[in-house]
Amino acid sequence: DVKVTQSSRYLVKRTGEKVFLECVQDMDHENMFWYRQDPGLGLRLIYFSYDVKMKEKGDIPEGYSVSREKKERFSLILESASTNQTSMYLCASSLYVGYSTNEKLFFGSGTQLSVL
Amino acid sequence: KQEVTQIPAALSVPEGENLVLNCSFTDSAIYNLQWFRQDPGKGLTSLLLIQSSQREQTSGRLNASLDKSSGRSTLYIAASQPGDSATYLCAVRPETSGSRLTFGEGTQLTVNP
Repeated sequence: DVKVTQSSRYLVKRTGEKVFLECVQDMDHENMFWYRQDPGLGLRLIYFSYDVKMKEKGDIPEGYSVSREKKERFSLILESASTNQTSMYLCASSLYVGYSTNEKLFFGSGTQLSVL
Repeated sequence: KQEVTQIPAALSVPEGENLVLNCSFTDSAIYNLQWFRQDPGKGLTSLLLIQSSQREQTSGRLNASLDKSSGRSTLYIAASQPGDSATYLCAVRPETSGSRLTFGEGTQLTVNP
């Protein structure tokens, strides 16, 4: 089975801190994603990476950046954390199979971030 | 723009009941539809993936159907158990969005003993 590992289950940070959320997948997937999930707003895509050093903005990239130096690792960076970034952050990965209908998304267990 | 809707937002049933969760989407040009389960405070677990050419998929007590032309999918849970209590989300992979999925907001299911 695919394993997507997020380094922390819970994080508490202060406003203005630089925050790193790490995600590692063990199945050589090309695609990796960062989502945030908030009550009443559902899952929203922050950033997407389709290859090493390649990234694409999602629906809500403001206040975030990402890094993908190795295929298995995708980092989400909050340059200066703010209270409105308190949320559940979910990492996911998928194997790119072009226009195949069989591409499946796998999620990590999530990081609940609180910014005080 | 693709939109995915799940109704109802919450559902409470007695143990043993068979139930159906609904998912509708506005654009039928999709590669596949995936159903996920999410327990409180946890990540999403993939349950079933239905490819655009398929009508249904089954796993144990779960059966998911897909009617692409009408923009609908259902997740049928047979003989529900308290352990089935969770939020169920559906997501479609639009043909125009590459590998990105569009998610519904989920149905929160409670199965009462």
